[in-house]
Amino acid sequence: AQSVTQPDIHITVSEGASLELRCNYSYGATPYLFWYVQSPGQGLQLLLKYFSGDTLVQGIKGFEAEFKRSQSSFNLRKPSVHWSDAAEYFCAVGVRNYGGSQGNLIFGKGTKLSVKP
Amino acid sequence: KAGVTQTPRYLIKTRGQQVTLSCSPISGHRSVSWYQQTPGQGLQFLFEYFSETQRNKGNFPGRFSGRQFSNSRSEMNVSTLELGDSALYLCASSGTRGYQETQYFGPGTRLLVL
Repeated sequence: AQSVTQPDIHITVSEGASLELRCNYSYGATPYLFWYVQSPGQGLQLLLKYFSGDTLVQGIKGFEAEFKRSQSSFNLRKPSVHWSDAAEYFCAVGVRNYGGSQGNLIFGKGTKLSVKP
Repeated sequence: KAGVTQTPRYLIKTRGQQVTLSCSPISGHRSVSWYQQTPGQGLQFLFEYFSETQRNKGNFPGRFSGRQFSNSRSEMNVSTLELGDSALYLCASSGTRGYQETQYFGPGTRLLVL
């Protein structure tokens, strides 16, 4: 069965430090891959997605993610974290299905990011 | 440009009742998807509609159903409510802006089943 693992439940980084959030998936074929962010003030927001092509994907708010097929990973990175990045981050795998643009999504449990001043 | 609108924002129902939630997508968006979020199960995908056709469905029982109208507005219905259906229900609309496909979420409907 398809699954998504976000190994880190909670991460704390200092403002200005770099960030990497881990995401591993289990799926038999090439998946669609997504990162979402959820904060109390902004609700749920799509950060970036990978469907095909270049394995390094740029998203909004300065985030990027790299699809590594050999490691079944899609880690999210940001070179310099801002206090406003404190939120919960969800990785998702899209299970390709007939006629779908995103497939049936399976979400990870989320990683809560805290930012120290 | 108006965002995604969900109504109602809060709802209290009792077990056995049914409920209908509504989602109005961003103007011009033809795809609407629905999600359930609970503390225990996290975020789960319910279904996706495009031009009035359901094209993806998550692993939920038949009590959960949805539809999309010709103006792209969507409704989801949950019949015979159970306590475990208490959740935040989110909808998202997707569309194309230039060459980019974009997706925006609504604020959600918080359902409490007593």
